[in-house]
Amino acid sequence: KAGVTQTPRYLIKTRGQQVTLSCSPISGHRSVSWYQQTPGQGLQFLFEYFSETQRNKGNFPGRFSGRQFSNSRSEMNVSTLELGDSALYLCASSLAGENYGYTFGSGTRLTVV
Amino acid sequence: KQEVTQIPAALSVPEGENLVLNCSFTDSAIYNLQWFRQDPGKGLTSLLLIQSSQREQTSGRLNASLDKSSGRSTLYIAASQPGDSATYLCAAFSNSGYALNFGKGTSLLVTP
Repeated sequence: KAGVTQTPRYLIKTRGQQVTLSCSPISGHRSVSWYQQTPGQGLQFLFEYFSETQRNKGNFPGRFSGRQFSNSRSEMNVSTLELGDSALYLCASSLAGENYGYTFGSGTRLTVV
Repeated sequence: KQEVTQIPAALSVPEGENLVLNCSFTDSAIYNLQWFRQDPGKGLTSLLLIQSSQREQTSGRLNASLDKSSGRSTLYIAASQPGDSATYLCAAFSNSGYALNFGKGTSLLVTP
């Protein structure tokens, strides 16, 4: 079966712009989470959605937002990009969360110049 | 706040050796613990998922154990191969927050 699909794979943006990243979970998975990975901070939790509802949000500024659609696909948006937003953004899906484990996508590499 | 620590940060071993990677967490109230592998520039590949009620899981040459009372998990890799070279990450899923808390990882190099 198809895995977690993230698009695009690579992005280069200029400071001040905004960006939207997309994630299609494994068919039947209703929980989608987003993580930011940087060399200095490692993997940090951004937010989690289940059935279109955000259940938790990590410690990131309001410039980071997300949403989940009725088909479980999810998008995250970063507005007013800063150089420090350059990172690998990873999406993970799970049947429902807690006890089912997570499957990750290949990520979107965002570079802000 | 859940803190996850992985030791060592880096490890280099010759092919064929058995090795142990360590993971510790501060909050024992976890639902499960998951081990991942990450190749350079790639996403995470799930290796093993241990539920809070379990003590270990095995998959091929990999065995992971979980001791909630001491806040520790170990990943045992038997007969290591050069293809095992990657960064190994452990992540604890806590009772609240619907989030994985990751360690910084162990970078493993297996030399032929």
